[in-house]
Amino acid sequence: DVKVTQSSRYLVKRTGEKVFLECVQDMDHENMFWYRQDPGLGLRLIYFSYDVKMKEKGDIPEGYSVSREKKERFSLILESASTNQTSMYLCASSPPGGRPLEQYFGPGTRLTVT
Amino acid sequence: AQTVTQSQPEMSVQEAETVTLSCTYDTSESNYYLFWYKQPPSRQMILVIRQEAYKQQNATENRFSVNFQKAAKSFSLKISDSQLGDTAMYFCALMIGEYGNKLVFGAGTILRVKS
Repeated sequence: DVKVTQSSRYLVKRTGEKVFLECVQDMDHENMFWYRQDPGLGLRLIYFSYDVKMKEKGDIPEGYSVSREKKERFSLILESASTNQTSMYLCASSPPGGRPLEQYFGPGTRLTVT
Repeated sequence: AQTVTQSQPEMSVQEAETVTLSCTYDTSESNYYLFWYKQPPSRQMILVIRQEAYKQQNATENRFSVNFQKAAKSFSLKISDSQLGDTAMYFCALMIGEYGNKLVFGAGTILRVKS
């Protein structure tokens, strides 16, 4: 079974802190994604990566950056956390093209910025 | 731009009954895929069912089936013989093309199955 893990289930940070959210997948997937989930808005794509050191902006990249130094690990960085970044963050991975096109999700990190 | 709309924020159903969750989408692309994902309380999101737009036949996975109306851009999920374990947030999602792999999600529908 594909396993996607995230470093923390719950995280509390102060405004202005630099925050790192880590995601690791064990299925050698090329594609990895970071979403944030907010009530009434569903999931929105922040960044994605289709290969090591490759990244592309999603729909809401402002205030975030990412790093992918190894294939299995994709990090989301909040350079200076703000209260409007309080949210649930979900990581996902998928194999390249073709079947089955399914994205596999991690358990999520609920981040609170105070 | 692609959009996905789920107009039912919350729904409830009695155990063993059937429930239908609605989803509409908008895209000008001809090659796309549609998905329903399930997020149980405090558990990881998992794929329930997927539909390729070029296929006319509605997808079915055990108790889960879809009603795909391409002209109307509608993609509803039917759950038969509802079980307590079906209680979850359900997301409808759209993927454009085969290699893009990017998903656009709806806002979600909370489904509660009552005993």
